[in-house]
Amino acid sequence: GENVEQHPSTLSVQEGDSAVIKCTYSDSASNYFPWYKQELGKRPQLIIDIRSNVGEKKDQRIAVTLNKTAKHFSLHITETQPEDSAVYFCAAIITGTASKLTFGTGTRLQVTL
Amino acid sequence: DSGVTQTPKHLITATGQRVTLRCSPRSGDLSVYWYQQSLDQGLQFLIQYYNGEERAKGNILERFSAQQFPDLHSELNLSSLELGDSALYFCASSVWGLAGTDTQYFGPGTRLTVL
Repeated sequence: GENVEQHPSTLSVQEGDSAVIKCTYSDSASNYFPWYKQELGKRPQLIIDIRSNVGEKKDQRIAVTLNKTAKHFSLHITETQPEDSAVYFCAAIITGTASKLTFGTGTRLQVTL
Repeated sequence: DSGVTQTPKHLITATGQRVTLRCSPRSGDLSVYWYQQSLDQGLQFLIQYYNGEERAKGNILERFSAQQFPDLHSELNLSSLELGDSALYFCASSVWGLAGTDTQYFGPGTRLTVL
C-alpha cells in the first residue's frame, strides 16, 4: 500500500519567515495530494491540494509543489503569522474507486514572535 | 464548522467495554470515512462507506465495526476495548467518495478514553 513520509516533525520559525514542509510518497499511482492543518484539539481542515497533472499551486501565502518523478511534494508558507501555528499533515490518495487517504506523520509548526 | 457532526464529544469507559460513536455527514454527502488519531500513530484511515455500502477498508481491527444507515449517518462500534484504543476518532464526509475527485470534510471528533 501507499506510504507517506513527512519531514520535519517539528519546525520553529520567526514571524514573517517562510516555512517548508516536505513529503514523499511511495506509490506512483497516487494522483491527489491534499494538505490539512490541525489546530490543537480541533478537526483537520483542508488548506490546499494538488493533482498530479499540475506542478505547482498557490493560494495567497500558501503554495504546494509536486515532483512526480521524485515522488515528493512540499508545502510552502510565506510571511508566517502566529495563527499559522498548528500541526500540518500531508496526504496522498491511491487512484481507484475508493478514497483511502494515507497521511504523513505530521509537522508541528511553531511561529514565534 | 464543516457541517459534519459527531457525538458524543467525549467518552470515558473501561477496558473490555463496548461503545458506539455516531457521525452525521454534510447534507448531500454520500460517503463517510472513519479515522483514528492517536499520539503515536498519527491519523489512520479505518473504513469508508458510500451510500450504505462499505467501499474501502484500512487498518481497522476486527473488534471494530461500522455501518452506514439509509439516512446516511454512520456508526463506529468499538468492542472489547483496550487501553491502546484511547484516541481521537474522526469522521469525514464527501460527496462521491471517489479518489481525488472530492474533498473530505472532517467532523469535530470524539475523544475516547479507556481506563
